[in-house]
Amino acid sequence: QKEVEQNSGPLSVPEGAIASLNCTYSDRGSQSFFWYRQYSGKSPELIMFIYSNGDKEDGRFTAQLNKASQYVSLLIRDSQPSDSATYLCAVLVSGGSYIPTFGRGTSLIVHP
Amino acid sequence: DGGITQSPKYLFRKEGQNVTLSCEQNLNHDAMYWYRQDPGQGLRLIYYSQIVNDFQKGDIAEGYSVSREKKESFPLTVTSAQKNPTAFYLCASSGQGGTQYFGPGTRLLVL
Repeated sequence: QKEVEQNSGPLSVPEGAIASLNCTYSDRGSQSFFWYRQYSGKSPELIMFIYSNGDKEDGRFTAQLNKASQYVSLLIRDSQPSDSATYLCAVLVSGGSYIPTFGRGTSLIVHP
Repeated sequence: DGGITQSPKYLFRKEGQNVTLSCEQNLNHDAMYWYRQDPGQGLRLIYYSQIVNDFQKGDIAEGYSVSREKKESFPLTVTSAQKNPTAFYLCASSGQGGTQYFGPGTRLLVL
């Protein structure tokens, strides 16, 4: 059974700090990894995706993938109160049915 | 503007009533999905469709039905058999790469 694990949090960081969100997955056939942000009462919004080992940067966000250790991380630099949300990790297995497995999400609170 | 629309934003269901949630996309995506999200919980897959006129049950399909007569549309019916329908319903679509994009959601409440 495919599993995607995230610490539910809340993760609390001060404004301006780096927030580090982690996600582990069980299926070694996983090939595509996605991070979504979900504000309270709203739908998930895609932040970024990563396919290859290493880092991928987009503005204040960096996704880090380590397939050997089966984890993917999201770093948010210069965290702002507007970054306070739940962050969902999703994992897709290649050659499968294109049904991603979602983690339950990590709640992030950025306090002024 | 390309995107996914869901309507209505809020829906109230009476006991024994069937209700239909609308989902439309103009992203030219082949695949569409319905999820249910309960407070503090993750996303649970109800149904998905990878091509017109074909759809598959997800993890919690009981009490729900769908149709996929057009590429752009994937309506979800919550039937009276669904005893605990109060939840936030999310529709998503994906193209060839598998990246899912979500609509704004419909919140279903029981009167």
